Amino acid sequence: KAGVTQTPRYLIKTRGQQVTLSCSPISGHRSVSWYQQTPGQGLQFLFEYFSETQRNKGNFPGRFSGRQFSNSRSEMNVSTLELGDSALYLCASSLDPQGAGYGYTFGSGTRLTVV
Amino acid sequence: DQQVKQNSPSLSVQEGRISILNCDYTNSMFDYFLWYKKYPAEGPTFLISISSIKDKNEDGRFTVFLNKSAKHLSLHIVPSQPGDSAVYFCAASAGSGNTPLVFGKGTRLSVIA
Repeated sequence: KAGVTQTPRYLIKTRGQQVTLSCSPISGHRSVSWYQQTPGQGLQFLFEYFSETQRNKGNFPGRFSGRQFSNSRSEMNVSTLELGDSALYLCASSLDPQGAGYGYTFGSGTRLTVV
Repeated sequence: DQQVKQNSPSLSVQEGRISILNCDYTNSMFDYFLWYKKYPAEGPTFLISISSIKDKNEDGRFTVFLNKSAKHLSLHIVPSQPGDSAVYFCAASAGSGNTPLVFGKGTRLSVIA
């Protein structure tokens, strides 16, 4: 079965612009989580969605937002981009929130570069 | 405040020998621990996990040990193979998986042939 699909794979944006990243979870998975990975840092939790509702949110500024659609696909948006937003953004899906930690499947990520 | 710490950014091991990756945590509410492996340009893939009710879990060449009193876990890979070269992330969850995973910064393992 198809894995977690993230689009686009690579993106270059200018400071001040906004960006939208997309994640299609594994078919049947209803929970989607987003993480940011920067050089020298681990994966930092952004937010988690389940059945179109944000269930958990990490310690990121309000410029970072997300949503989930009825088909479980999720998008995250970053407005007013800063150089420090350059990172690999990873999406993970699981069957349900209780599966989080047990059945996380990650996508390959979107590499965002802000110039 | 980093709740999950991997204090060794990198580790080099000869092929066939044992690789030991360490992880410390500070949050006593963590009750489930996982290791993920990540190759460049790919997302992390789940490797092995352990519940806080156990102190050891084994899966083939991979064994995870948990020392709750020391808030420490380790991943042992025996024997190490060149294909094991990757970044390994330790992660933890509280509430029996009901909270987001908290990750360490990762340890880059290089297995030298």
